[in-house]
Amino acid sequence: GDSVTQMEGPVTLSEEAFLTINCTYTATGYPSLFWYVQYPGEGLQLLLKATKADDKGSNKGFEATYRKETTSFHLEKGSVQVSDSAVYFCALSGYNFNKFYFGSGTKLNVKP
Amino acid sequence: KAGVTQTPRYLIKTRGQQVTLSCSPISGHRSVSWYQQTPGQGLQFLFEYFSETQRNKGNFPGRFSGRQFSNSRSEMNVSTLELGDSALYLCASSWAGGLGNTIYFGEGSWLTVV
Repeated sequence: GDSVTQMEGPVTLSEEAFLTINCTYTATGYPSLFWYVQYPGEGLQLLLKATKADDKGSNKGFEATYRKETTSFHLEKGSVQVSDSAVYFCALSGYNFNKFYFGSGTKLNVKP
Repeated sequence: KAGVTQTPRYLIKTRGQQVTLSCSPISGHRSVSWYQQTPGQGLQFLFEYFSETQRNKGNFPGRFSGRQFSNSRSEMNVSTLELGDSALYLCASSWAGGLGNTIYFGEGSWLTVV
């Protein structure tokens, strides 16, 4: 079945450091890939998405490229800020319906 | 444009009781899905409704049920509550479905079973 695996956290970085959160997936067909972010006490917010191979999603300085050959969708940011501290979820969805599969989440702590 | 609204935000129930959670989707969205979030199991899909019909269901026992009304608002019900049902229940809405369709989440309902 479809599934998402992302790196275990927490990840602790200093402000302005480079961020990478790894995400790999298993899916039949050609899924769409997403990154969602969850701030404390809140629901999930869409960060970025990509719907086909080699697409790059980007938002607020975050980027992720849909790599079909490595079944990966790693999240990157060149310079993190304290305000980026949150839990990040990688997710995929198939063509039909709105059944999303989420990774376990990676908590990011950014220290000033 | 108002987001997804979930009520109540917090509730405490006793084992054996039942609970009903409500979700109002973004205006114009016809699909509503529900997820359970726990520290141990992460985010797990419960079910999805579109035009008052359940289109897909996750691997949860029959104690978990839902429905959708003609105005797209949705409710989920959990009967005979167990301690393990303590979780954040998230509702998400979207226009319809299909490749690349994005779901938008509410802030969730925190359920504690004692």
